[in-house]
Amino acid sequence: QKEVEQNSGPLSVPEGAIASLNCTYSDRVSQSFFWYRQYSGKSPELIMSIYSNGDKEDGRFTAQLNKASQYVSLLIRDSQPSDSATYLCAVIVRGSNYKLTFGKGTLLTVNP
Amino acid sequence: DTAVSQTPKYLVTQMGNDKSIKCEQNLGHDTMYWYKQDSKKFLKIMFSYNNKELIINETVPNRFSPKSPDKAHLNLHINSLELGDSAVYFCASSLGTGGYTFGSGTRLTVV
Repeated sequence: QKEVEQNSGPLSVPEGAIASLNCTYSDRVSQSFFWYRQYSGKSPELIMSIYSNGDKEDGRFTAQLNKASQYVSLLIRDSQPSDSATYLCAVIVRGSNYKLTFGKGTLLTVNP
Repeated sequence: DTAVSQTPKYLVTQMGNDKSIKCEQNLGHDTMYWYKQDSKKFLKIMFSYNNKELIINETVPNRFSPKSPDKAHLNLHINSLELGDSAVYFCASSLGTGGYTFGSGTRLTVV
């Protein structure tokens, strides 16, 4: 069973729309959850972290965590062409020596 | 002010050679990592050091040997390079359960 699963996409949305990215994880003792953005040829960049159930907002980004359903999502409001990138979901499991386990990423394309 | 810096950025070498990649962080983080990103863009952890101590050693060929002279530096030495070692190698650092900060990556091509 894959530890962190994401729909590989590509996910295509028009400029100004809401992009919704989803992620599920298998380990119930996962404790920390992250979303990274990776532009082609660049390194992953942390955009959101979330540690407890509920929503966390930062500008146009909202992360949502539901530990009962083992589900974490990222909403991007007012999507811009500059948001076009691969979005990586990542999880730290308690007791793993802070090992960050990544999903395979979802490619998002925002069309002008 | 680069937070996590890796050198070299590109590395092209022949099969059978030995090469090293260096990484330094100036964030005061206590844990450093090596990740490999393959051609399908999947990021997989290789090693982790906490205050110079190896704490994560995933299933990696023993041709790969990490070394951490101090908590701000983590190097990766690769012996007898193979075609399948071609990938982008990322160094990263973190403090506790906070997110990682990644270096810019080293694109290794073995020919």
